[in-house]
Amino acid sequence: EVQLEESGGGLVKPGGSLRLSCVASGFTFRTYDMNWVRQSPGKGLEWVSSITSGSSYIYYADSVKGRFTISRDNAKNSLYLEMNSLRVEDTAVYYCARVWEEASGWYLGYWGLGTLVTVSS
Amino acid sequence: DIQMTQSPSSVSASVGDRVTITCRASRSITSWLAWYQQKPGKAPKLLIYGASDLRSGVPSRFSGSGSGTDFTLTISSLQPEDFATYYCQQVNSFPFTFGQGTRLEIE
Repeated sequence: EVQLEESGGGLVKPGGSLRLSCVASGFTFRTYDMNWVRQSPGKGLEWVSSITSGSSYIYYADSVKGRFTISRDNAKNSLYLEMNSLRVEDTAVYYCARVWEEASGWYLGYWGLGTLVTVSS
Repeated sequence: DIQMTQSPSSVSASVGDRVTITCRASRSITSWLAWYQQKPGKAPKLLIYGASDLRSGVPSRFSGSGSGTDFTLTISSLQPEDFATYYCQQVNSFPFTFGQGTRLEIE
């Protein structure tokens, strides 16, 4: 069974930093592209960042470019999101998501439960 | 960036009704479109990919259609467990973008 478990969320002041982790199990992590998606309280979904299986290609939303860094450690079955210069508008539940294996393309077939990041003074 | 516009933003319906949600892309995404269902407090769930391919295990009352810029999600006969928020997402090109969501409520 595919499982994704996020951690590292919490309360941080504006301008602060936080590192999110996502530990994967139930599949061969190193062969799948991975993603972060966020959802502000009561709002819709926003794609944040994607990374290919071997970390060769990395993509960011304009809203986080230059502040957030996605990375992965395939030996540890882990995905990360380093978040710097945090803003109030970064407050959201952050989901880790894996691509769907039955089609080409970046369809988000499996999601974690999410971790809440609150940016507030 | 490709903008995704869903309509309606909310809809009220009854069990057994047929419901259609539309999603329009600001430029062609061929068939690189997904539909997700999200229930309160839960992570989204992939329902349809490639605009019209039903994920295994998803009930056949769900269907998707369209290509280019105009897409639809149809639920043929609403069941109580279908009341949720639905999102479309384009995966044609980065940055990937979601529609704003359609909240499906019980009438």
